[in-house]
Amino acid sequence: DVKVTQSSRYLVKRTGEKVFLECVQDMDHENMFWYRQDPGLGLRLIYFSYDVKMKEKGDIPEGYSVSREKKERFSLILESASTNQTSMYLCASSFLGGAAANEQFFGPGTRLTVL
Amino acid sequence: AQSVTQLGSHVSVSEGALVLLRCNYSSSVPPYLFWYVQYPNQGLQLLLKYTSAATLVKGINGFEAEFKKSETSFHLTKPSAHMSDAAEYFCAVSVTNDYKLSFGAGTTVTVRA
Repeated sequence: DVKVTQSSRYLVKRTGEKVFLECVQDMDHENMFWYRQDPGLGLRLIYFSYDVKMKEKGDIPEGYSVSREKKERFSLILESASTNQTSMYLCASSFLGGAAANEQFFGPGTRLTVL
Repeated sequence: AQSVTQLGSHVSVSEGALVLLRCNYSSSVPPYLFWYVQYPNQGLQLLLKYTSAATLVKGINGFEAEFKKSETSFHLTKPSAHMSDAAEYFCAVSVTNDYKLSFGAGTTVTVRA
């Protein structure tokens, strides 16, 4: 089974802190994604990566950056956390080619609170 | 660009009753369609997917969905609700060569005993 793990389930940070959220997948997937989930808004794509060192902005990249130095690991960085970044963050991964490429596998999520 | 509309942010059903969750999509090319379920404090789990084969798709836990191109719909059903079906459900759309998914806002299902 595909396994996507995230470094923390719950995280509490202070305004202005630099925050790192880590995601690791064990199925050799090329694509990796970061979403934030807010009530009534569904999932919104922050960034995604289709290869090591490659990244593309999603729908809401402002205030975030990402890093992918290894194929299995995709990090989300909040350079200076703000209270409006309090949310649930979900990582996902998928294969690169064909119809199967579109099926994404999700981690358990990190609930981040910024005080 | 693709988009999804889920009708009804909350649905309450009695145990044993039909579960019907509505999803309409917008896409200029043939879509791939997905239903995911999220149990409390967990990530998303794939229930079922449509990838241009049979229009009636069966998934896990007794759920199924029917792709209707003329109605641009992909509604999710389960004949008899169980208490364990209480969760949030998301419909999502994608297209060939676009690795991204566009999600609906989600529908929370409550099951009454």
